[in-house]
Amino acid sequence: EAGVVQSPRYKIIEKKQPVAFWCNPISGHNTLYWYLQNLGQGPELLIRYENEEAVDDSQLPKDRFSAERLKGVDSTLKIQPAELGDSAVYLCASSPGVTGGQTDTQYFGPGTRLTVL
Amino acid sequence: QKEVEQNSGPLSVPEGAIASLNCTYSDRGSQSFFWYRQYSGKSPELIMSIYSNGDKEDGRFTAQLNKASQYVSLLIRDSQPSDSATYLCAVRKDSNYQLIWGAGTKLIIKP
Repeated sequence: EAGVVQSPRYKIIEKKQPVAFWCNPISGHNTLYWYLQNLGQGPELLIRYENEEAVDDSQLPKDRFSAERLKGVDSTLKIQPAELGDSAVYLCASSPGVTGGQTDTQYFGPGTRLTVL
Repeated sequence: QKEVEQNSGPLSVPEGAIASLNCTYSDRGSQSFFWYRQYSGKSPELIMSIYSNGDKEDGRFTAQLNKASQYVSLLIRDSQPSDSATYLCAVRKDSNYQLIWGAGTKLIIKP
């Protein structure tokens, strides 16, 4: 079974430029997560989707970040314009059920390492 | 106070010894607890999950949960150099089911 797929794996852009990340979750997984991880820190949730609905985007900086999950499968996370402080690893994860399930387990993609110059 | 706390380490353990990793959490109503391993430059991968008080064993790994004291630990027996990684503790909040992550403990197994 294929895991969570993310692209690109690495991205280097200049500040104020736009950037987009793509994620394809594990087949059949209803819930999709976008996280940000800085060096030496744990993942920080940006947005959580249940099917195509964003059920938790409270920590998404909506002035510059946007996300979509059309048809409840693939998802795209966009930053426009990027700032120096956005340099981090952006992780996508998926889980089989809705997040109310006690045993719902998240599986991570390889991540996209973003460097903003 | 952070919601999930871990000692950042590094924790250095001789090969073949037992490595003990600890995590405390603040949400008393939390019901689900996870240990993930993250190698440098890689993404987190699930090692263990635990939902009930007591011990849960899987191969060389044992997760221990004490809800009264609000801590969860991970023991690695017969530590191998390949166990060298950062271990992340994650706790699911009871209020909104969000997974809260610790900052991780860096484990180094010395040959």
